[in-house]
Amino acid sequence: DAGVIQSPRHEVTEMGQEVTLRCKPISGHDYLFWYRQTMMRGLELLIYFNNNVPIDDSGMPEDRFSAKMPNASFSTLKIQPSEPRDSAVYFCASSPIDRASTYEQYFGPGTRLTVT
Amino acid sequence: TQLLEQSPQFLSIQEGENLTVYCNSSSVFSSLQWYRQEPGEGPVLLVTVVTGGEVKKLKRLTFQFGDARKDSSLHITAAQTGDTGLYLCAGPPGTYKYIFGTGTRLKVLA
Repeated sequence: DAGVIQSPRHEVTEMGQEVTLRCKPISGHDYLFWYRQTMMRGLELLIYFNNNVPIDDSGMPEDRFSAKMPNASFSTLKIQPSEPRDSAVYFCASSPIDRASTYEQYFGPGTRLTVT
Repeated sequence: TQLLEQSPQFLSIQEGENLTVYCNSSSVFSSLQWYRQEPGEGPVLLVTVVTGGEVKKLKRLTFQFGDARKDSSLHITAAQTGDTGLYLCAGPPGTYKYIFGTGTRLKVLA
């Protein structure tokens, strides 16, 4: 299996522009997670999906952020309009169905976003 | 708010030395996980501990879950340069949702 695939790996954009990050989870995994990592705040969960349905988006910082999962093999995280404080590394992770109340998250390589 | 505090934040040691990093919380967790993250990559799961007092070994790495399930430790014996990375603990404050610790950045020098 190729693992979790994210694109682009790097994105540089100007403040006010729309940014779309993409993720292809591991085939057969039922859960998909979007995280953001910064030096100041560490790794933060933004939103997660179960069987393509958003379950918890309480970590989404504000209305400028939105996420979709139109099918089991694709998800997007969109920021519109982007701001310099959105600069971070964004990770997508997927997980197989829960076993014994724990689950293993498999992370993609991340997208490094820089907003100037 | 449930938090996972890790210590130390930074650690630089010589190859061959032993080290221990800690993950502490004031809350009880049903399980804890440890991940290692290398520069430019996503975190990779090392281990999951689920029972209070549980000890798991992964080659030179030993993981322990506290009896009260509020803390965990990771001990590395005879560190190697390949152990360099960011070590993160993670636990579920609820169902299907994990929070990550503040991280320990380890550098092993040759």
